[in-house]
Amino acid sequence: NAGVTQTPKFQVLKTGQSMTLQCAQDMNHEYMSWYRQDPGMGLRLIHYSVGAGITDQGEVPNGYNVSRSTTEDFPLRLLSAAPSQTSVYFCASRRDGGAFSNEQFFGPGTRLTVL
Amino acid sequence: RKEVEQDPGPFNVPEGATVAFNCTYSNSASQSFFWYRQDCRKEPKLLMSVYSSGNEDGRFTAQLNRASQYISLLIRDSKLSDSATYLCVVNNPGDYKLSFGAGTTVTVRA
Repeated sequence: NAGVTQTPKFQVLKTGQSMTLQCAQDMNHEYMSWYRQDPGMGLRLIHYSVGAGITDQGEVPNGYNVSRSTTEDFPLRLLSAAPSQTSVYFCASRRDGGAFSNEQFFGPGTRLTVL
Repeated sequence: RKEVEQDPGPFNVPEGATVAFNCTYSNSASQSFFWYRQDCRKEPKLLMSVYSSGNEDGRFTAQLNRASQYISLLIRDSKLSDSATYLCVVNNPGDYKLSFGAGTTVTVRA
């Protein structure tokens, strides 16, 4: 199993540009999520999905869109990049989100710089 | 108040030392607790789950104190390879989302 994969690993954008960060998992996990990690702030949830066709907002959703057309893929779209979106982005998945959560697996991250 | 709070450290310890640190959580109904490890510029990975009775995994011991709403992690006989940031993670009942602390940095020196 490849686990959780993310592309690209690094990206530089100009203010106002749009792009999609790709995320895929091959573990047949129902629950997937996107986080951003900034120094001193820990991981903050952007959007999450509890299954194909179902998405919801996390803590910091503004400026980002997601869709979940298949169990495997969960892309994150930046609509109009801003310098405040400079961060490290992690995609994650786990089997389900039940009352007693199981292990969450993370992708290797995408380091995004917005100029 | 943040849902999960951690002392950011850094904790600088010599090899072979014992180091321990806590994490506090605000929701008394929280049900699941974990410690994740994150190496520099890498993704977080599960270190261990934290059970009500406390649990050990080799040199690592995790404890849960529900009355005072904190969990702890103790590392015995520290190795250079233990240098990392340790993330406290909490899950609340009926909530798919995990809450992450900002992490405690541990540096083990030779």
